[in-house]
Amino acid sequence: DVKVTQSSRYLVKRTGEKVFLECVQDMDHENMFWYRQDPGLGLRLIYFSYDVKMKEKGDIPEGYSVSREKKERFSLILESASTNQTSMYLCASSSKDPSDLDTQYFGPGTRLTVL
Amino acid sequence: AQTVTQSQPEMSVQEAETVTLSCTYDTSENNYYLFWYKQPPSRQMILVIRQEAYKQQNATENRFSVNFQKAAKSFSLKISDSQLGDTAMYFCAFMKTGANSKLTFGKGITLSVRP
Repeated sequence: DVKVTQSSRYLVKRTGEKVFLECVQDMDHENMFWYRQDPGLGLRLIYFSYDVKMKEKGDIPEGYSVSREKKERFSLILESASTNQTSMYLCASSSKDPSDLDTQYFGPGTRLTVL
Repeated sequence: AQTVTQSQPEMSVQEAETVTLSCTYDTSENNYYLFWYKQPPSRQMILVIRQEAYKQQNATENRFSVNFQKAAKSFSLKISDSQLGDTAMYFCAFMKTGANSKLTFGKGITLSVRP
């Protein structure tokens, strides 16, 4: 089974702090993604990566950055946290194997509260 | 750009009955994948079922099946013999085929199964 883990289930930070959210997958997937989930808005893509050291902006990248130094790990960074970044953050990974139909597998999520 | 619409924010069904969740999408692409994901309360998002657009046969996974109408751009999920464990938020999602494609999600529907 694919396993995607995230470093924290719940996190509370203060405005202006630098925040790191970590995601690790154990299935040698090439692709990794960061989403935020907000009520009534569904999931919105923040950043994604199709290879080590590679990153691309999603739909809402402002206020975020990412790092992918190793294939299994994809980090989301909030350079200076703000209250409007209070949200549920979901990490996902997928394989480039065509037989998997680009299916994304999700981690448990990190609920971040910025005070 | 692709859009996915889930027009019903909430639904309720009696245990053991059948329920259908609707999803429509808008795209000019001919080759794509469609997915239904399930997110139980406070638990991980998991894949329920997926469909390749070029396949006319509707996908089925045990009690879950889809009604895929390509011309109408409709992709509904039918849950038969509903169980209490089916209580969750359900997201419909679209992805065009090809390298570096992104998932586009609907806003989700909250399904409650009544005992």
